[in-house]
Amino acid sequence: QKEVEQDPGPLSVPEGAIVSLNCTYSNSAFQYFMWYRQYSRKGPELLMYTYSSGNKEDGRFTAQVDKSSKYISLFIRDSQPSDSATYLCAMSANAGGTSYGKLTFGQGTILTVHP
Amino acid sequence: NAGVTQTPKFRILKIGQSMTLQCAQDMNHNYMYWYRQDPGMGLKLIYYSVGAGITDKGEVPNGYNVSRSTTEDFPLRLELAAPSQTSVYFCASRRTGVSYEQYFGPGTRLTVT
Repeated sequence: QKEVEQDPGPLSVPEGAIVSLNCTYSNSAFQYFMWYRQYSRKGPELLMYTYSSGNKEDGRFTAQVDKSSKYISLFIRDSQPSDSATYLCAMSANAGGTSYGKLTFGQGTILTVHP
Repeated sequence: NAGVTQTPKFRILKIGQSMTLQCAQDMNHNYMYWYRQDPGMGLKLIYYSVGAGITDKGEVPNGYNVSRSTTEDFPLRLELAAPSQTSVYFCASRRTGVSYEQYFGPGTRLTVT
C-alpha cells in the first residue's frame, strides 16, 4: 500500500463547476497537509497548507483534513480555465525536527477546466 | 531574488554517460531537496541536505550522488546513466525551523537512450 494515494484523474470539468480533489494516507504520524499546484512544464507551487484536522479557506479554495479517516480534500469553487493544472497533495510528519520537513507526495490529479 | 534555479532545462544522455544537474538558490535556505517526477507517479525524494556539508538519502537514491559545499548550491550527479533515470528532476529548498513550504525550481527534463 502506498503511503499517500491520490486519484490521478484526469478530471475535466466545465468553467464554474465545483471541483473536489482527494487524497488518502496511511501514516498516522502525518500532521502537516499541503496542496501544491503544478502548471504544465513548471515546478510545483504551494497552494494551501493545513495543520492537523480542520478546514482552511482561501478565496475559491478550501482545504479539509479529517485525520480520523486519514483523508484530505481540496475544493475549488467557481473553477476557471486558469485552474487547469496538476494538483499534488503532500504531507509531512513535522515541519522541522528530525523529519527535516521531508514531504510525501500523492501521484497528482490532472485537472482541466474548459470554457 | 531568482529563487531556485536549475540547469540545464533539457538533456539527452546515452546509456552509460554521466552528468551533473545543477541547482542553486539565493534565499539563504539551509534545507535543499532533489526529487524526480515520473508520469502519474508524483514526486519521489532522491536526496536532501540540511546544510553545507550534510546530505542524506531519500526514497530513491540509487544511481545518484550529491554534494553540498555551499549553502547556495546542491548539484545532483548521475553516474552511468540508465533508461530508468529518464524523468523530470526538481530541486527545492526551504528555510530552517517550523516552515512547511518548499520552493521548487523549474525542473530539468532528462532522457536517457
